[in-house]
Amino acid sequence: QKEVEQDPGPLSVPEGAIVSLNCTYSNSAFQYFMWYRQYSRKGPELLMYTYSSGNKEDGRFTAQVDKSSKYISLFIRDSQPSDSATYLCAMSGALTGANSKLTFGKGITLSVRP
Amino acid sequence: GAVVSQHPSWVICKSGTSVKIECRSLDFQATTMFWYRQFPKQSLMLMATSNEGSKATYEQGVEKDKFLINHASLTLSTLTVTSAHPEDSSFYICSAGQGSKNIQYFGAGTRLSVL
Repeated sequence: QKEVEQDPGPLSVPEGAIVSLNCTYSNSAFQYFMWYRQYSRKGPELLMYTYSSGNKEDGRFTAQVDKSSKYISLFIRDSQPSDSATYLCAMSGALTGANSKLTFGKGITLSVRP
Repeated sequence: GAVVSQHPSWVICKSGTSVKIECRSLDFQATTMFWYRQFPKQSLMLMATSNEGSKATYEQGVEKDKFLINHASLTLSTLTVTSAHPEDSSFYICSAGQGSKNIQYFGAGTRLSVL
């Protein structure tokens, strides 16, 4: 079993839809959870950062972490064509040291149709 | 926001030559920088962790003599692909840890094509 599992999709939705992206993980030591957005042939861009369990909202984006289920989600409201990209979840067990390195999901490609 | 600059964005080279890629944190100091490799439609694979003033820590299976990393200052890390071969063709991305939370901010990546 991989440490982080993410459905690779692809996922296609109409403009304005609510998008739900998810990752599961097996390492209970993970404490820090991130979502990155990556456009084609570009580096990942940090969208959301969450520590431990709970919800975090930033504009149209909401990140949820459920450590008891080892499950994290990213919700995108009122999706726009400009949201079309690959979304990667990432997590780590510490802020510094050996456990600070990020473990990434495989990424899911989202396409928002006008 | 934290900005990481990576240069060049694209390089084509002949087999057997060496290529240097630079990663700079423009508006913050980064004690730790990371180098990743990404194959098409795949996730990021960590190659090594670079700490300012000390030797890099390489992930299992990554040849340290092949991928030379230097982190001489708090704002600059370099990755040199030595004696590049076609199988080294890939997308290389760096990141820098910023702030007390050591959040990683990524460069735009370097596409290396070895002929």
